[in-house]
Amino acid sequence: GAVVSQHPSRVICKSGTSVKIECRSLDFQATTMFWYRQFPKQSLMLMATSNEGSKATYEQGVEKDKFLINHASLTLSTLTVTSAHPEDSSFYICSVPRRGRGIWNTEAFFGQGTRLTVV
Amino acid sequence: AQSVTQPDIHITVSEGASLELRCNYSYGATPYLFWYVQSPGQGLQLLLKYFSGDTLVQGIKGFEAEFKRSQSSFNLRKPSVHWSDAAEYFCAVGARAQKLVFGQGTRLTINP
Repeated sequence: GAVVSQHPSRVICKSGTSVKIECRSLDFQATTMFWYRQFPKQSLMLMATSNEGSKATYEQGVEKDKFLINHASLTLSTLTVTSAHPEDSSFYICSVPRRGRGIWNTEAFFGQGTRLTVV
Repeated sequence: AQSVTQPDIHITVSEGASLELRCNYSYGATPYLFWYVQSPGQGLQLLLKYFSGDTLVQGIKGFEAEFKRSQSSFNLRKPSVHWSDAAEYFCAVGARAQKLVFGQGTRLTINP
């Protein structure tokens, strides 16, 4: 079954509204989660690192006031797209790294992704 | 700077034919390399990963990849593709499973 649950899978919103996307780790606790953005027919670009108990770390060029990240617990991170505009329409995916004993147990699990359309 | 290049944007192969998807990387330290597959509108599924040891890595769904340090490559192969293999394939590099840098992706189409 899924290790990471991302919700919603699809959302359509009006310009100027805010949208919250949830990423839940189902099988293990995660102090760190990652948020990626994927434009149509393009690769995934890291937006930010979500840190439990502290502020998120944003990649260069990503507006932190536009993309609010809250790592509320060891199993939940949320990404809120504030005052959404059509150019924010994209596919957003979260990633949860699992560190086990030894490097072979290290793996990044991805959510199903959220297709955001701003109209 | 870290980077990943997948030279082929789109590849078409016949069902039952062999497949090789190319991946070249640039990384300052020992690379942790991954191949992911993405079906339309879906998240990513890990096919295989390389951290160290045997440079030929076996993954799920009959895929394998070979790490060649001298060529900075980590090409993905499959001896005989199935129609269900049609998808987008991403090569990625990063420190363990932390921040990953992805290639542009290769879209695989299977002809019946």
